[in-house]
Amino acid sequence: EDQVTQSPEALRLQEGESSSLNCSYTVSGLRGLFWYRQDPGKGPEFLFTLYSAGEEKEKERLKATLTKKESFLHITAPKPEDSATYLCAVQGPHNYGQNFVFGPGTRLSVLP
Amino acid sequence: NAGVTQTPKFRVLKTGQSMTLLCAQDMNHEYMYWYRQDPGMGLRLIHYSVGEGTTAKGEVPDGYNVSRLKKQNFLLGLESAAPSQTSVYFCASSPSPGLAANTGELFFGEGSRLTVL
Repeated sequence: EDQVTQSPEALRLQEGESSSLNCSYTVSGLRGLFWYRQDPGKGPEFLFTLYSAGEEKEKERLKATLTKKESFLHITAPKPEDSATYLCAVQGPHNYGQNFVFGPGTRLSVLP
Repeated sequence: NAGVTQTPKFRVLKTGQSMTLLCAQDMNHEYMYWYRQDPGMGLRLIHYSVGEGTTAKGEVPDGYNVSRLKKQNFLLGLESAAPSQTSVYFCASSPSPGLAANTGELFFGEGSRLTVL
């Protein structure tokens, strides 16, 4: 069974204090790993797709990396506006509509 | 460009009542999905549709029904609401997986918060 876990559950950082969020996954044949950002009371907003081990994607202060078992979302010099819940999801090889598995998320708070 | 719009945004029901959540997308996407989000758990797929007139069960379909009579709309129904269906419901859409521009991204609505007393 495909599974996604995320750690830590919650993270509090001072503005400018860099850190990483972890997404560990088990899937039989990864088609893609996705990172989303979710603000309180809003729907998830797409950040990145990673397809193969060794791949990296960057967007502003965020960089996502992928290995065969996990992905990291690195946040460099975060700002208060980076506060949100970050969701990780994987897509397996089975029929398209059913094969996104989401993790529970990491709730990030960046204090000024 | 509105994207994915869900109505209503909030609803309180009594056990046994019925209701319908409406999802509308204006991006001409073939695929549409209904997820529920509960504290400490990932988004879980309830039902999905791969095109107008089609529906299929996801991970947690019991107690829900769906219809996709028009390509842009995907309705989620609760025939007899139970307290266990208290949750935040998200609709999402995506283009067909065969399209070159498809990155696998799901486009989400802002959610509908349902409380069943």
